Amino acid sequence: LAKTTQPISMDSYEGQEVNITCSHNNIATNDYITWYQQFPSQGPRFIIQGYKTKVTNEVASLFIPADRKSSTLSLPRVSLSDTAVYYCLVVQRRDDKIIFGKGTRLHILP
Amino acid sequence: DTEVTQTPKHLVMGMTNKKSLKCEQHMGHRAMYWYKQKAKKPPELMFVYSYEKLSINESVPSRFSPECPNSSLLNLHLHALQPEDSALYLCASSQELNTIYFGEGSWLTVV
Repeated sequence: LAKTTQPISMDSYEGQEVNITCSHNNIATNDYITWYQQFPSQGPRFIIQGYKTKVTNEVASLFIPADRKSSTLSLPRVSLSDTAVYYCLVVQRRDDKIIFGKGTRLHILP
Repeated sequence: DTEVTQTPKHLVMGMTNKKSLKCEQHMGHRAMYWYKQKAKKPPELMFVYSYEKLSINESVPSRFSPECPNSSLLNLHLHALQPEDSALYLCASSQELNTIYFGEGSWLTVV
């Protein structure tokens, strides 16, 4: 299993773009990078998944460099409601052993 | 519809009680999961069922007993728990892309 490293916590202000970087130096060829968001007292929620280059959806963008040893989740123009824990996971498509790392606590300030 | 439904939302049980947590999904997902989460910690994987068969048991104590009666249902039977087992128990399901969908969780308090 590829180990991931993320900042423990980050602060930002409303209206800013927030970038959270995840390191996964031993990512394997078959691994995908997936990000989840978790609010207090709720289950994690899927945000975005990618394999290489850039993926964008209505919530976020995911940037993955060519060597795939890191990835960056980008949240455009955050609001107070984006305060949550964000988890970066590296998983193989057919591997059910989905392990969560420590995550990044993002705190958005007014 | 990406809904995973867990019941009950809250459960208080004594150390000698037997209770069960229930989970249901109607997305046709082949895999279902139980995770345990303590405050300010990440979810910890407990069990995985794939096509109704137990495929992963992360060395969970036998006082936790999973059951998958059919492809839509997942139970977690609880017996002789300890106060340190108090936590949020999360059920999840996924299909081939390993995008997992979580329920809202069941808060368990062992007294």
